[in-house]
Amino acid sequence: GNSVTQMEGPVTLSEEAFLTINCTYTATGYPSLFWYVQYPGEGLQLLLKATKADDKGSNKGFEATYRKETTSFHLEKGSVQVSDSAVYFCALSGFQGAQKLVFGQGTRLTINP
Amino acid sequence: DTGVSQDPRHKITKRGQNVTFRCDPISEHNRLYWYRQTLGQGPEFLTYFQNEAQLEKSRLLSDRFSAERPKGSFSTLEIQRTEQGDSAMYLCASSLMRGQNTEAFFGQGTRLTVV
Repeated sequence: GNSVTQMEGPVTLSEEAFLTINCTYTATGYPSLFWYVQYPGEGLQLLLKATKADDKGSNKGFEATYRKETTSFHLEKGSVQVSDSAVYFCALSGFQGAQKLVFGQGTRLTINP
Repeated sequence: DTGVSQDPRHKITKRGQNVTFRCDPISEHNRLYWYRQTLGQGPEFLTYFQNEAQLEKSRLLSDRFSAERPKGSFSTLEIQRTEQGDSAMYLCASSLMRGQNTEAFFGQGTRLTVV
């Protein structure tokens, strides 16, 4: 079945550091890939997505590229801010509009000033 | 529209009691999903509706769990004879099914504690 494996946390960085959170997946067919973010006390929010191989999703300075050959969708940001502190979830959904999401376990990110 | 809303936000119940949660999706969204999230884990799919039809149920959804979406708008999730293992955050999400370019919007969840 479909599954997502994320880099284990927690991750602690200093402000302006470079961020990478690894995500790999196992899926049949051609899934869509997502990164969701959960800020303290808030619900899950979509951060970015990619629907086909080699697509790059980007938002708020974050980027992730859909790599079919390595079945990966790593999240990156060049310079993190304290306000990026949150829990980040990698997820996939099936092909042809099947929107059930399969999530990784989440990575807690803390940015220190 | 203010997004997906869930009620209550928190629920503490004694083992063996029944509980019911409500989810109000974004008004024009035809799909509604329920997920369960335990501490330190990602959300796990429970069930989803397209309009009023329940199209898929996870094996996680034991026969003590039932979900309804009677008029294709709000949904309820009921847990009968609660057990301590049911303690979790229950998340609702909705989306507008339109090709592949859809986004699921999540509510803030209902945190259930079974004592």
